[in-house]
This record gives sequence, C-alpha cells and structure tokens, in this order.
Amino acid sequence: NAGVTQTPKFQVLKTGQSMTLQCAQDMNHEYMSWYRQDPGMGLRLIHYSVGAGITDQGEVPNGYNVSRSTTEDFPLRLLSAAPSQTSVYFCATTSRGSSYNEQFFGPGTRLTVL
Amino acid sequence: QQQVKQSPQSLIVQKGGISIINCAYENTAFDYFPWYQQFPGKGPALLIAIRPDVSEKKEGRFTISFNKSAKQFSLHIMDSQPGDSATYFCAAGYSTLTFGKGTMLLVSP
Repeated sequence: NAGVTQTPKFQVLKTGQSMTLQCAQDMNHEYMSWYRQDPGMGLRLIHYSVGAGITDQGEVPNGYNVSRSTTEDFPLRLLSAAPSQTSVYFCATTSRGSSYNEQFFGPGTRLTVL
Repeated sequence: QQQVKQSPQSLIVQKGGISIINCAYENTAFDYFPWYQQFPGKGPALLIAIRPDVSEKKEGRFTISFNKSAKQFSLHIMDSQPGDSATYFCAAGYSTLTFGKGTMLLVSP
C-alpha cells in the first residue's frame, strides 16, 4: 500500500499561472483534506471532502478549488497563482470509522510562486 | 481568530530530560485532541491522541494531560532523546482539525 501520495514534490510557478496539485490514496478513506503549512503558522485547512461528490471550505479556501469525483483522488487547483500561495501543501486522509479519526498525511508538495 | 494556542514556539531539552508542550483551545465543542510529530521534509504523523472523557493518556514515553475545565492539554515527553528532535503540533476538533502553530523541539546529546 502506498498510503497517501502527492505529486509533484516541488513546483515553481510564475504569478498568474495555474496548476493542479495531485493527491491520491489507496486506504479507502472517505475523508480527505488539504492543508497549507507556512513558517510559524502551523497547518491551516484549505478544503476538505467527506466523500465522493462532497467538498467544503476550510479556514483558508480563497484562491483554491477542489473536486472529488472518486474516493481515491482529491486534486487541489490553483487558478491564478499568487506569491502569497508559496507554501508547503499537505493532503491528508481519515477513516470516519476509526475511533480516533487519525489523519494520515502525504509527503507534501513544496510550491514557490514567483 | 486562533482557536488553538500552542507554547512554547521552541524548546531545548537535554537528553534524558522532560519536554513539555502546552496547548489551549477555545471551542468547547472540540472532542478530539491529537498531537502530531513532524520531521524535516516529511508530513506530520500522529503521535498520540485523547478524548475529553479522560484526563490522561500514556503511550510509552509520551503522555497527554487534559484539563477540560481549563480547556488546556499538554504533551509530556519523558526521558527525551535526540531522535525526538522534531516539530510537534497539537490539534483540536470534531469534524475537522484546527492545529496549533507548532513547537520545534531540540534534544541535545
């Protein structure tokens, strides 16, 4: 089992460019989330999904879009990248059936917007 | 509005000492309080977690102490080792998690 995979590992964009960060899981978890991690800011929730076809906004959703067409995949789209979106992005999954709702994090994507 | 406040920002402990990290939360609806450990270049990984119906949970050298009335919880690392050097995040939530800003722990040999 690969667990939670994220691609790419690193990405450099110019202001205004668009891109999609990929997240895939083979754990059959219903719940998936996207976080961004900035120095001194901890992890902040961008968007999350409780199942295929269902998404909702987190704490910092502006500038990001998501969709969930399958249980396995939860891509994060940046429509027009801005320098403020320079960050490390983590995808996480949770099984709603687990007793402690443990979130399993991917290895992250380091994004730089110039 | 920061719903989970974590302190200290950084901590240096000698090998064999006790590391203590504290968190305070505001939302009384939170019912799940995990601690995550993150090494450089890696994603966070669950270390230990507690529900509000118990005041303490211990797993090996790691203990969570939980004070529901004060809305505070803390992580204690006993016999701290250099391999424990990492960033630690507390979190709280019910359907989603709100994370603290993190504590960088350095255990000196």
